[in-house]
Amino acid sequence: AQSVTQLDSHVSVSEGTPVLLRCNYSSSYSPSLFWYVQHPNKGLQLLLKYTSAATLVKGINGFEAEFKKSETSFHLTKPSAHMSDAAEYFCVVSDAVKAGTALIFGKGTTLSVSS
Amino acid sequence: EAQVTQNPRYLITVTGKKLTVTCSQNMNHEYMSWYRQDPGLGLRQIYYSMNVEVTDKGDVPEGYKVSRKEKRNFPLILESPSPNQTSLYFCASKTQGVGNQPQHFGDGTRLSIL
Repeated sequence: AQSVTQLDSHVSVSEGTPVLLRCNYSSSYSPSLFWYVQHPNKGLQLLLKYTSAATLVKGINGFEAEFKKSETSFHLTKPSAHMSDAAEYFCVVSDAVKAGTALIFGKGTTLSVSS
Repeated sequence: EAQVTQNPRYLITVTGKKLTVTCSQNMNHEYMSWYRQDPGLGLRQIYYSMNVEVTDKGDVPEGYKVSRKEKRNFPLILESPSPNQTSLYFCASKTQGVGNQPQHFGDGTRLSIL
C-alpha cells in the first residue's frame, strides 16, 4: 500500500530565508510524486511532479524537490521565501504504472512567512 | 481557459435534504474524481471515474453517489446528507495519457450540513 508522511504540520520562516518542507513516502510500485499548493479559499495548484525522469525536479515559483529512493524522501525546497509562499502544501504519491489509481495525499504542511 | 468548475462554491443545508454538487471540465479528460478535505486528514478520495459510464469507489464512498453520463460532467450526489459530511469538496480531472499525469483541481465546494 502507498502512503505519504509529511514530517511537519507547520513550518515558519522569515522572508528571504530558505524553505524546507519534508515528505517521506512508501510505495510498492514505481511511484509518481507530486507537490501541490493550496492558498486560502482556492483549489490545489500543481507545483511540480516526479515521474521517474530526473531526480531533481524544478517546479513553478522557484520551488524544487529531490527524489531520493534510498531515503524514500521527496522534500520540497526553495532558496528564498516570499510572503506570497504562505499557504498549505501537500505531498502526494500515486502509482506510476496504474494510471487510474487515486492520489494519496499527505496531511499537509502549513507554511507561514514573516516579514 | 482550461479549468474544472464546481458549483455551488458554498452551501449550507439541513440533514436529509438531497443535494448535488456539479463538476464540469473543459479539457476532454477521461479521468475525473471527487475528494473531501478535512482538517488534519488531507484529501481523501470519494469516487472516481475513468471514462463515461465507468465509476468506482475511492476510500470514503459511504453516503455519496456519482454518475458519469457525459465526459465533461461528474456530479456528486448526497441523497440524505448528514452532519459528518460537512467538509470541503474538490473535483479533479486528468488525461489518461502516457505516464501518470497530474490532476487538475476545481476551486472547491464548502458544504455545511446542519
